[in-house]
Amino acid sequence: DAMVIQNPRYQVTQFGKPVTLSCSQTLNHNVMYWYQQKSSQAPKLLFHYYDKDFNNEADTPDNFQSRRPNTSFCFLDIRSPGLGDAAMYLCATGVPSQTQYFGPGTRLLVL
Amino acid sequence: AQKITQTQPGMFVQEKEAVTLDCTYDTSDPSYGLFWYKQPSSGEMIFLIYQGSYDQQNATEGRYSLNFQKARKSANLVISASQLGDSAMYFCAMREDLTNAGKSTFGDGTTLTVKP
Repeated sequence: DAMVIQNPRYQVTQFGKPVTLSCSQTLNHNVMYWYQQKSSQAPKLLFHYYDKDFNNEADTPDNFQSRRPNTSFCFLDIRSPGLGDAAMYLCATGVPSQTQYFGPGTRLLVL
Repeated sequence: AQKITQTQPGMFVQEKEAVTLDCTYDTSDPSYGLFWYKQPSSGEMIFLIYQGSYDQQNATEGRYSLNFQKARKSANLVISASQLGDSAMYFCAMREDLTNAGKSTFGDGTTLTVKP
């Protein structure tokens, strides 16, 4: 029944070692979002895809990249994780004028 | 200026009582939507309730209702008959320009603790 799936739920990586987080959806929504959420803070939008169109937020570091090979899947690549990138990463899907549906999140730990 | 303001970092309520979580917003867009999400300690963001800027009536979903006061730009969440499972972080969010994919802007959240 899960509609937005994120894998893995917990990810440990080393400082500077590239890491990829994945998100898939069964809702067939045309928009997919990636948020970063640090402890006790509001989610911060990194970027979103509207179909195949990529929309980057102005303050998203170049260290963060994304891929959307098809409607169902979207990936977040962190090219060289730093200690400050340790956070919860939330994927969400949606259609214009409606709410976003969030996945369970991936907690990233950087050692 | 912040677009979404939640002035209560933490709230306590007795089980079975009602509680109001405050949210004010700022936008010049005539078409917008307001959302409330619940985030338990597990981290998942759970959608609770939605209010559109053109909706005439306040939104309700089970024990959740949204007290929408457009002129005051407030969209407070009311939880009736609080349960222990309601203890969580609550976020108010706004999406402007609803015809677009448009991102949601989130408030800083309110941590609700329900006491037995």
